[in-house]
This record gives sequence, structure tokens and C-alpha cells, in this order.
Amino acid sequence: DAGVIQSPRHEVTEMGQEVTLRCKPISGHNSLFWYRQTMMRGLELLIYFNNNVPIDDSGMPEDRFSAKMPNASFSTLKIQPSEPRDSAVYFCASSLAGRDTEAFFGQGTRLTVV
Amino acid sequence: AQTVTQSQPEMSVQEAETVTLSCTYDTSENNYYLFWYKQPPSRQMILVIRQEAYKQQNATENRFSVNFQKAAKSFSLKISDSQLGDTAMYFCAFSPSYGKLTFGQGTILTVHP
Repeated sequence: DAGVIQSPRHEVTEMGQEVTLRCKPISGHNSLFWYRQTMMRGLELLIYFNNNVPIDDSGMPEDRFSAKMPNASFSTLKIQPSEPRDSAVYFCASSLAGRDTEAFFGQGTRLTVV
Repeated sequence: AQTVTQSQPEMSVQEAETVTLSCTYDTSENNYYLFWYKQPPSRQMILVIRQEAYKQQNATENRFSVNFQKAAKSFSLKISDSQLGDTAMYFCAFSPSYGKLTFGQGTILTVHP
């Protein structure tokens, strides 16, 4: 398996624009997570899905953020409208819940909002 | 809510020597898992070692070992025979169920030749 695949690797956008980050989890994994990493706040869990259903979105900072998982092999994290303070590295991770496996992370998307 | 604290923002060690990174956590859960992740400059998150809370024996993976003190809620990572490739940010993480990780703030480890 190619691992967790995120796209794009880098994104630079202007304030107010819509940004969509994409994630393809490892085949067979049933849990998917979105994390955000910043210098100030470290690694924060934004939302996680189990069997494509959002289980906990308490980490989503505000209504400008939304996440979807239409099927087991694809998820998106959307920011609309984007703001400079959203600049961060966004990680997607997947795991096989209920088994003795760790969460596997994608390479992350570095988002810069100017 | 669970919290994870890494009190050492930065550490350094000479190549071939041993270094210990500290981590404490707070939880009311009885069954949980603890992890150390490594993040090199490539920013890829790599699992270094895991510990199941119900296991008394400390986990070991080659040069990496942990000192798990459940009563004290302490979970330190020892790196023996440090190598230049060990230079990275190290994160301690807690999970009451696999995958939902709460991370510490991280410790930057630099291995000097």
C-alpha cells in the first residue's frame, strides 16, 4: 500500500479564498483523522471519522471549517473563507480501530494564507 | 479531557550516547495506549514505540525503550547509542482508543557528531 496520501503538499492562497485539502486513507482502515500542526498550538485533532461517519468534530475551530468523508477511500477538509491564522500543516491519518495498530500519517499539507 | 505534557522543549546529545525524553499525562481512563512519534525535518510522522497501559513490561524497539510508570502517569523515552538520524522532533501521545491521539507539545532532539 502507498500509505496515506494527501494532496496538495503545499498550498498558497489569498485570504478569503476557499481551500480544499484531500486525503486518501490506507485501504482497509476504518478510522480517519484530521490534525493541524502549528508552532503555537502544536498538534491538534480537528475531527475524526469512523466507518465514514464523523464521530468527534469538537476540535474544528469554527464554522469556516468543514470535513467530509463520502466513502471509505476519500476525505476532504475545506476552509471557506480562509484567513491568515489558518496557516499551518494539516495532517490526515488513518487506522484500523479496534486492532493493535497505530495511526498512519500522510505527508501533510502546508497551507499558507496570505 | 486528557492532557499530555512534555517539559523539555529542546534536548541535545552526543552521538553514541544515551538520552531520555520526558512525558507525563493526565487521564481518568484505566485502559489506554501511549506512543512516541518522531517527526524529522521531512515532517513525516513516524511511530517510534507504543505501550499498552495494561502491560507492566516496558516496551522496547531496538535502541528505543520506555519507562512506563502508570501510577505516576509518566512515560519517558530512552534512546541508546544515539545516531545523527535520530535528530527530530519527538512527540508523546495518548489514546484511549487506537487512533484518537492527544499529543504533547514536542521535544526537539539534536544529536551532535
